[in-house]
Amino acid sequence: QSVLTQPPSVSGAPGQRLTISCTGSSSNIGALNDVKWYQQLPGKAPKLIIYDNTYRPSGVPDRFSGSKSGTSASLAISGLQAEDEADYYCQSYDSSLGGFYVFGTGTKVTVL
Amino acid sequence: QVQLQESGPGLVKPSETLSLTCTVSGGSISNYHWCWIRQSPGKGPEWIGFIYHSGTTKYNPSLKSRVTISVDTSKNQFALKLSSVTPADTAMYYCARLYSSGSVLWFDPWGQGTLVTVSS
Repeated sequence: QSVLTQPPSVSGAPGQRLTISCTGSSSNIGALNDVKWYQQLPGKAPKLIIYDNTYRPSGVPDRFSGSKSGTSASLAISGLQAEDEADYYCQSYDSSLGGFYVFGTGTKVTVL
Repeated sequence: QVQLQESGPGLVKPSETLSLTCTVSGGSISNYHWCWIRQSPGKGPEWIGFIYHSGTTKYNPSLKSRVTISVDTSKNQFALKLSSVTPADTAMYYCARLYSSGSVLWFDPWGQGTLVTVSS
């Protein structure tokens, strides 16, 4: 069950900037739990691209950036490239019911 | 670097128990939490639960009544059992490490995943 809500799809031309929203609630993102973002290429496992709301792991291009405000978070992709076409998922921790990890519904990014 | 590999039956009958094993290579299973995560076709991932090398477990409340995760440190493996399965349990099942940096936690690395279909 996905507790975090994302738009099903977004698209853009090469070089453009895209943003993906992730809407949670007071028991997860709004409870000061940090947000991660994962990129999932077709047929592959998800790969971490943003942790602790805004930080990029080593090797992730600086075209990817994250932000968080209140009960929502966003992932921005600037200078869109063909290899960015993938599914993107936000992830956080929900402090209700004893605590559990939650993922977003997912957003398909299409490069036109 | 640490690598994970899932193994187990790809087809399970309704009402039976799904059993999967994750083998950890390139590092010790000690000192980390190890997770099972599943992803139904076209859906977002769903965290199933984790186990620490000491045997401490935590499960998703929505699956808690049907899930058991165990660890075998001598084999560097951990396992998932999900009982009373239905077609709704059909999914790609991943194992992953819950990595920590200070107080921040994330899933990395992941196994390649194994598809489990529930059907008679």
